[in-house]
Amino acid sequence: DIQVTQSPSSVSASVGDTVNITCRASQGVNNYLAWFQQKPGKAPKSLMYYVYILQSGVPLRFSGSGSGTEFTLTITNLQPEDFATYYCQQYHRYPLTFGGGTQIEIK
Amino acid sequence: EVQLVESGGGSVQPGGSLRLACAASRFAIVNNDMSWVRQAPGKGLEWVSSMSTNGVNKYYADSVKGRFSVSRDISNNTLYLQMNSLTAEDTAVYFCGKGSRPIDSWGRGVPVTVSS
Repeated sequence: DIQVTQSPSSVSASVGDTVNITCRASQGVNNYLAWFQQKPGKAPKSLMYYVYILQSGVPLRFSGSGSGTEFTLTITNLQPEDFATYYCQQYHRYPLTFGGGTQIEIK
Repeated sequence: EVQLVESGGGSVQPGGSLRLACAASRFAIVNNDMSWVRQAPGKGLEWVSSMSTNGVNKYYADSVKGRFSVSRDISNNTLYLQMNSLTAEDTAVYFCGKGSRPIDSWGRGVPVTVSS
């Protein structure tokens, strides 16, 4: 199975900041890497797939980068609605595996 | 806009069974892979199962293999998850997802509690 590790597990930030979240896979995932956002008590929301392709309606302040086994979600100009937990997921091979999540908290 | 509505959750004793349903609208499940993902209380997301577009290829997490079964009813545009031999470790909110590689839309989820 491909293990996926996210860091940090939590980060404190202010409105207007830039936040980077790292996702590492235990082996190459051929860029089949997705990002999701989840707010407390709500369903996840799909943000991005194939490392950097935004889902419809996702603001351009969200961007993805990386290749091989290391990937980054970057949120620039953090907005109040961005305070949430973010998960990466590899979908290169079954079983599909998620990272442990990164919570962005208000500083 | 795509809509996914889960139902069938609830409380069940260890060893019991439940069948979850995911009613889809504004798209046809026959043309899409579909998935189930769960989230235990206070924990992260865990992929459970996916079904391919052809309805033949089905995939399961090791934690549910042999106990859970995914199926679909094309005429009702509904995905199902039959869950047998439930244990406390299956307690979670279960989400239905459109797609698998990747998931692009999610239902609101349905809670399942396994407790004596």
